[in-house]
Amino acid sequence: KQEVTQIPAALSVPEGENLVLNCSFTDSAIYNLQWFRQDPGKGLTSLLLIQSSQREQTSGRLNASLDKSSGRSTLYIAASQPGDSATYLCAANTGNQFYFGTGTSLTVIP
Amino acid sequence: GAVVSQHPSRVICKSGTSVKIECRSLDFQATTMFWYRQFPKKSLMLMATSNEGSKATYEQGVEKDKFLINHASLTLSTLTVTSAHPEDSSFYICSALGLGKTEAFFGQGTRLTVV
Repeated sequence: KQEVTQIPAALSVPEGENLVLNCSFTDSAIYNLQWFRQDPGKGLTSLLLIQSSQREQTSGRLNASLDKSSGRSTLYIAASQPGDSATYLCAANTGNQFYFGTGTSLTVIP
Repeated sequence: GAVVSQHPSRVICKSGTSVKIECRSLDFQATTMFWYRQFPKKSLMLMATSNEGSKATYEQGVEKDKFLINHASLTLSTLTVTSAHPEDSSFYICSALGLGKTEAFFGQGTRLTVV
């Protein structure tokens, strides 16, 4: 069974810093990997989707990479802002099922 | 991206009553819908997968008679929590997958409180 782990569980950084969130998965047979943002008490907002054939995807200040063979993905956030504070979840899609990581709670301090 | 609407966003009910949560795909046909439960400060736990027109597949440990899932059309799936108890209080989120697609879209979630 696919297991998805996210490190660190929590991260606190001053505004303006660049940061990296890590996601690892045990089964490399995935269709894609998706990064989400979740604000407290809210649903999920999709940030980036990387197909299994891709190495990275970029959207604004966000860049996500995927290394299937090593079972890793990273989410890079450039020039962090207080509005980036949220929980970030990654999910590995192995077909018709999505396996979620435990999330990284990010706090950006003004 | 595509839109998935989940209703209600919050519901409070008494122990013993049943609550229905709706998940609608507004601008695409969802052949597969997923229901998740999220405990405080935890990740999403898949409860069941439903395909339009067929019975839902429940994950191990999820009571199918307690969490009734119906996916009667390509745009609507419902989750009914029957005979709710306080321990059923949680955040429930649905997601929908279109035919041949690999990107799932998520509803806004439903905060259920059973008193």
